[in-house]
Amino acid sequence: DSGVTQTPKHLITATGQRVTLRCSPRSGDLSVYWYQQSLDQGLQFLIQYYNGEERAKGNILERFSAQQFPDLHSELNLSSLELGDSALYFCASSASELEAFFGQGTRLTVV
Amino acid sequence: QKEVEQDPGPLSVPEGAIVSLNCTYSNSAFQYFMWYRQYSRKGPELLMYTYSSGNKEDGRFTAQVDKSSKYISLFIRDSQPSDSATYLCAMSEGNSGNTPLVFGKGTRLSVIA
Repeated sequence: DSGVTQTPKHLITATGQRVTLRCSPRSGDLSVYWYQQSLDQGLQFLIQYYNGEERAKGNILERFSAQQFPDLHSELNLSSLELGDSALYFCASSASELEAFFGQGTRLTVV
Repeated sequence: QKEVEQDPGPLSVPEGAIVSLNCTYSNSAFQYFMWYRQYSRKGPELLMYTYSSGNKEDGRFTAQVDKSSKYISLFIRDSQPSDSATYLCAMSEGNSGNTPLVFGKGTRLSVIA
């Protein structure tokens, strides 16, 4: 158990809908990262938050947004969903750039 | 050219074999190099990390970094069926936490008993 909790584990939704994925980082970790994993693209970095502030941005679509709350949990919001958004979404937390601890992921299926 | 290239495999070896997994990269600013292991339907877990060039050994696992060639390797000795997983290399510039990890696509390894 990495100590990072992601909910829900599975999500099935229709195209055009909006969903929210939740992540609770390891106790004491200030950094939270979101990654998208698909078969053809591998693990793609989306966005990083550090102590409530956006720290780095990767290949995140404008339809996607995230935030980190004062208690350090984070949410990833995906809107106007398309079939191609179906993937595994991972949250990771870290105390340094040397180690990132991943949650079990949320498997999103858009139908 | 992607920043990090990794042969996706799949790679199938008999139990007890030595496994060699490799990644190449293009960003010369990468300083931290990691290997993650991901079992099916699980999140990636950190196996090893190294800083700059050189070797690091941990039990049956050895990580090598050659920054001059922009090439990193993970060797698994006496491979076991429990080593069957996808192995992902990851790299970071290590700029005080401002640069996230960049991952390879992963190599799927099967160790056959």
